[in-house]
Amino acid sequence: QVQLVESGGGVVQPGRSLRLSCTASGFTFSSYGLHWVRQAPGKGLEWVAVISNDGRQKYNEDLKGRFTVSRDNAKNTLYLQMDSLRIEDTAVYYCANFQGGNFDYWGQGTLVIVSS
Amino acid sequence: IVLTQSPATLSVSPGGRATLSCRASQSISSYLNWYQQKPGQAPRLLIYEASNRATGIPARFSGSGSGTDFTLTISSLEPEDFAVYYCQQRSSWPLLTFGPGTKVEIK
Repeated sequence: QVQLVESGGGVVQPGRSLRLSCTASGFTFSSYGLHWVRQAPGKGLEWVAVISNDGRQKYNEDLKGRFTVSRDNAKNTLYLQMDSLRIEDTAVYYCANFQGGNFDYWGQGTLVIVSS
Repeated sequence: IVLTQSPATLSVSPGGRATLSCRASQSISSYLNWYQQKPGQAPRLLIYEASNRATGIPARFSGSGSGTDFTLTISSLEPEDFAVYYCQQRSSWPLLTFGPGTKVEIK
C-alpha cells in the first residue's frame, strides 16, 4: 500500500533553515509528481509546492522563493528545503501524492515550529 | 484561482442534512475535490471531480456543481461526520488551491 512518511520537523529560530524529508513506498516513486501542503495551527490547508517525476518544480507564489522542493528517486525520497524561516511558517507539513480520481495519498505530517 | 467556502461554521443535529458551498473565482469545470479533516489527522478525499465519491466513502456524501459553484451534501449526519471540510481545485494543475474550510459542528 502507498505510504508517505515525513520527517525533519522541529523547532527552529526565525531566519534559519530546515530541510524536510518524505520517504515513499508502495508505488513507483520515479513515475509520480509529488506535492507539499502545509497547515498552520488552527488554520486551513495551504498548497506549498510540487515537483514532477522529471524534476520540474512549481511553487506557491506567496512563499517568495524561500522554499525549494527536490527529490532523490534512488532513495524514494522527497525534500523541502526551507530557508529564511518566519514565525508564520509554523505549520504541519504534509507530503502528498495526488494523481487524480481515487489516487490521493497523504503522509501523517511533520510539525515545524519557528520560534526564538 | 481563489476558492471561497460558506458557511464558515455549520451547526447541524445528528441525523440532519448539511449543505456546504464552494465557489471558485473563475470557471474550473469539474476539477473540484472535497476533503474531510478531523483533528490530528491528514485530510481524507471524499469527492473527486465534483461528483464522484472516493473509494469507501458512504453514499450519504454527495457532490454537485460545475464551473464556479459547487456543493457538498451530507444527507444524514453521523457522529463521525463532524469535522472540517475543504474544497480543492485542480483546474490549474499542477498548481492547487484549497478553500478556507467549513467546520460542521454538533448543534
